[in-house]
Amino acid sequence: DTGVSQDPRHKITKRGQNVTFRCDPISEHNRLYWYRQTLGQGPEFLTYFQNEAQLEKSRLLSDRFSAERPKGSFSTLEIQRTEQGDSAMYLCASSFQGENQPQHFGDGTRLSIL
Amino acid sequence: AQTVTQSQPEMSVQEAETVTLSCTYDTSESDYYLFWYKQPPSRQMILVIRQEAYKQQNATENRFSVNFQKAAKSFSLKISDSQLGDAAMYFCAYRSALSGNTPLVFGKGTRLSVIA
Repeated sequence: DTGVSQDPRHKITKRGQNVTFRCDPISEHNRLYWYRQTLGQGPEFLTYFQNEAQLEKSRLLSDRFSAERPKGSFSTLEIQRTEQGDSAMYLCASSFQGENQPQHFGDGTRLSIL
Repeated sequence: AQTVTQSQPEMSVQEAETVTLSCTYDTSESDYYLFWYKQPPSRQMILVIRQEAYKQQNATENRFSVNFQKAAKSFSLKISDSQLGDAAMYFCAYRSALSGNTPLVFGKGTRLSVIA
C-alpha cells in the first residue's frame, strides 16, 4: 500500500493554458474523489468515481473542467483555459465503496495561475 | 444541503495540555458520519477520528476523543497531552450515510499551534 499518489506536486502556468493532473489511488479502492482547496478554506468536493463511472459532479465543476477514470484505475483532472480563480490545491482521495470506509488523501497538486 | 461550521480559525495550546476544537453541522438526515482530519503543513490530510451518528458512545483514539451531541449537532475534538507534532490544520467533515461512501463536506478548518 503506497498511498494515494498525485502528479505533479506543483504546477505553474499562464492564464488561458490547459493543465492536466493525475491521481493514482490506493490499489483496489473502487471510489476516487477530487476536491479543491483554496487558501484558508476546507476542501470542496468536485467530482467522484466508482470504478470508471463518474457518479456525481459538483456545480463547482464548470464546463472547463473534465475528469476521467479510464479502466477504473488512475484518474485525470483537466482544466481548460485556466483562469486566476483556478489557483488552488487539488486533492485526490480514494476509498472502498462501503460507507464505513475512510477516504485516504494524496498530497495534492498545487496550481498557480500567473 | 449539509454544512459544517468551525468557529475557531486558530487555537493554541501548551505542550502537554488539553485543547478542544469546536464543530457544528447542519443536516436533515438522521444517519451520517462525522470526521476529524488533520492536515500538517505541506503534508497530506490524514484521518484522526470518526463517529457514526447512530452510536451514542463518543469515539476515542488514543489522545484524541470527541464529544458528539447529536441533538445539538455538535462534534468537538479534544486533544489530550498535546504534542508538538499535533500542530496542524484540523478539519471537521460530514458524510451522508445514504448511499455508500459519498463525498465529504468539510468545515473551513482550525489552525492549531502547540507551544513548547
